[in-house]
This record gives sequence, structure tokens and C-alpha cells, in this order.
Amino acid sequence: GDSVTQMEGPVTLSEEAFLTINCTYTATGYPSLFWYVQYPGEGLQLLLKATKADDKGSNKGFEATYRKETTSFHLEKGSVQVSDSAVYFCALKIIGTYKYIFGTGTRLKVLA
Amino acid sequence: EAGVTQFPSHSVIEKGQTVTLRCDPISGHDNLYWYRRVMGKEIKFLLHFVKESKQDESGMPNNRFLAERTGGTYSTLKVQPAELEDSGVYFCASSYRTGDNEQFFGPGTRLTVL
Repeated sequence: GDSVTQMEGPVTLSEEAFLTINCTYTATGYPSLFWYVQYPGEGLQLLLKATKADDKGSNKGFEATYRKETTSFHLEKGSVQVSDSAVYFCALKIIGTYKYIFGTGTRLKVLA
Repeated sequence: EAGVTQFPSHSVIEKGQTVTLRCDPISGHDNLYWYRRVMGKEIKFLLHFVKESKQDESGMPNNRFLAERTGGTYSTLKVQPAELEDSGVYFCASSYRTGDNEQFFGPGTRLTVL
């Protein structure tokens, strides 16, 4: 079946540190890949997405590249800020279908 | 444009009681979805409405859960009777078309069953 595996948290970093949150997937069809973020007290927000192999999604300084050969979609940011503290969810959706398959979420805490 | 709204934001009930969660999708979105995240695990799909019709309720845990979407606007998710394992965050999402790549999520309702 379809699944998403992401690194367990929590991840604690100092401000301006480099961030990587690993995400790998298995999919029976051709997936689109997503990163969602949930800031404290808020709902899930789409952070970035990629719909085909080698696409790079980017937003707010975050990037992730759709790697079909390694079935991965790792999230990176060169310099994190305290305001990036949140829970990050990797997800896939088979194109043409409606169900998201989410990972377990990774909590990021950035210290000043 | 207003986003997806959910009510209440937090509910604390005792085992055996009934709770009803409400979701108001983005205006004009025919597709409405419910998801749930329990105890720090992954967010899991519960069911999908197109207008007032249930298209897929394969993710509903058991018959203690009942979802409705009368009139094809807002939706309710009732848990009766609630059990301890029902605790978690219930998310609602909506989209314009069924195959749309992006679903817009609400803030979630945190349900705590004591």
C-alpha cells in the first residue's frame, strides 16, 4: 500500500542552523508530494509541493526535490528562524485520487 | 475569502458521552474530507463527501462515527458513544474538484476523551 515515512522528532536547532527533515515514500501509482506545516494553534498549511520527478518545490526559504530514484522528498532550509517552530508533515497523493497519505509529522523547535 | 473553519477548537468529554464536530468548507467547494490524527501518529483519511453524498467512508473506524453533510454545505462528525481511543485531532479539508492536487485544511478540533 501507499505510505510515507518521515524522521521522528522532535528536532531542536539553534537559530540560523541548517534544517533537513527526511521523508521517503512508497506508492502504487504516480504520486504528487507535499509538505504541510502546522504552526502552534493553527491548521495545516501547504508549505510546498512537487508533482513530478525532479521537480523542486520551494516556499519561505524551504525546499524539497522529488527524487523518484530514491523515493524521497526531503525538506531543507538553509537558515531556520524561531518562527519556523512547528510540526511538519510529509504527504503524498496519487494523481487523480483524493486521499492524502501523511507521515507521522516531525516537530521542529528552533531556539534563539 | 474565508478558509475552512471547524468548531469547537477543543472538546473534552467523558467516555460514553456524545460529541459532534462541525466543519464549514470554503464556499463553493463541493468536496469535503475528514481526517484524524491520534496520539502523535500519522494523519489518516476518514471520509469524503461530494456535495451531500458520501463517496468514500473507508477510513471511518467503526459505527460509533457518523458523518453528515445535509444540503451539501457544512458537515458534522458525531462520535457516539466516545471511547478513550477516539482522542486526537480531527481535521476537515475541502477542495473545488475531486482530483484537485491541493486540499485546504481547517485548524482542527482537538478531542480529549477522559
